[in-house]
Amino acid sequence: EIVLTQSPATLSLSPGDRATVSCRASQSVTSYLAWYQQKPGQVPRLLIFDVSIRATGTPARFSGRGSGTDFTLTISSVEPEDFAVYYCQQRSSWPLTFGGGTKVEI
Amino acid sequence: EVQLVESGGHSVQPGGSLRLSCAASGFTFSSHWMHWVRQVPGKGLVWISAISGDGSSTNYADSVKGRFTISRDNAKNTLFLQMNSLRAEDTAVYYCTRANSGYDHWGQGTLVTVSS
Repeated sequence: EIVLTQSPATLSLSPGDRATVSCRASQSVTSYLAWYQQKPGQVPRLLIFDVSIRATGTPARFSGRGSGTDFTLTISSVEPEDFAVYYCQQRSSWPLTFGGGTKVEI
Repeated sequence: EVQLVESGGHSVQPGGSLRLSCAASGFTFSSHWMHWVRQVPGKGLVWISAISGDGSSTNYADSVKGRFTISRDNAKNTLFLQMNSLRAEDTAVYYCTRANSGYDHWGQGTLVTVSS
């Protein structure tokens, strides 16, 4: 099983700050890495798939990069609506796995 | 508009069974892999199971293998999760998701509570 380790667990920021969330895989997931956003009481939402491709409706301030085992999600300038929990997920091999989540808080 | 609507979640005793359903609409259901993902309230997301578009291929997390069975009825655009030998640790919100290089659509979730 591929283990995805996210860091930090919590990111405390102010609106306008740059946010960087890391996701490290225990073995290569090639480019099959996605990011999701979940706000309290809401269903998760796909932000980015295949490392860097923004899903429909994802603002341009969100970007993803990386390859193999090391990936990052960056929010260039955090907006108030971006405070949420972010999860990475790999679909390179079964069983599919999620990272533990990173809470971006004010 | 793509819609996924889960049903079937409720409270059950340990060792019991439940069958979750997910009614899909707004897209060609048989063209997509479908997955179940669960989440204990306040905790992270956990992938549970997946099934190919024609139903010929299935995969399971080790934690549910041998107890849960995923299936689909493409004629009725419905996804199922049969859950047997339920344990307290199966308590969670269960989401039905559509796979499309990522889970681009999620149901609203259905709560399963396993407790005596």
